[in-house]
Amino acid sequence: GNSVTQMEGPVTLSEEAFLTINCTYTATGYPSLFWYVQYPGEGLQLLLKATKADDKGSNKGFEATYRKETTSFHLEKGSVQVSDSAVYFCALSKGGSYIPTFGRGTSLIVHP
Amino acid sequence: DTAVSQTPKYLVTQMGNDKSIKCEQNLGHDTMYWYKQDSKKFLKIMFSYNNKELIINETVPNRFSPKSPDKAHLNLHINSLELGDSAVYFCASSQVRDRLTGELFFGEGSRLTVL
Repeated sequence: GNSVTQMEGPVTLSEEAFLTINCTYTATGYPSLFWYVQYPGEGLQLLLKATKADDKGSNKGFEATYRKETTSFHLEKGSVQVSDSAVYFCALSKGGSYIPTFGRGTSLIVHP
Repeated sequence: DTAVSQTPKYLVTQMGNDKSIKCEQNLGHDTMYWYKQDSKKFLKIMFSYNNKELIINETVPNRFSPKSPDKAHLNLHINSLELGDSAVYFCASSQVRDRLTGELFFGEGSRLTVL
């Protein structure tokens, strides 16, 4: 079946540090890939997405590139802010049921 | 205007009780979902429903049942609550034609505590 594996958190960084959160997936064919963010006390919201190999999704300074050869979709940001503190979820969706499968979530804590 | 709204936001109840969580979306979407998030933040699909198809995660106990009075609502009923049902339950919606490339819109979650 489909699955998404994320690095275990929490990831703790100082403001303006570089962020990478790793995500790899298992799926046949060509799924669409997503990053969602959950701020404290809120529901998840879409951060960025990529629908085919080599696509780069970007939003709010975050980027992720769909790498078919390594089945990865790592999230990066060049300079994090305290306001980026949240839980980040990698997800995939593909043909069949199309029901998105989520990774376990990675908590990011950014200190001033 | 809240796109996906859930009520109640917090629910504390005793083991063995029956409870419901309501969900409404005003986005005109045709597919709705229920996800369960445990204390370690794992997010697991419970149900997916549109006007043609109900998809149930086979690991979900039959004490849980979705009820959809219309396209804009998908309520979650839970019978004979157990301690392990304590979690945050998220409702979400999407448009089926966008399901491969489109996003899910989530409610704010309903925190259920079973004592």
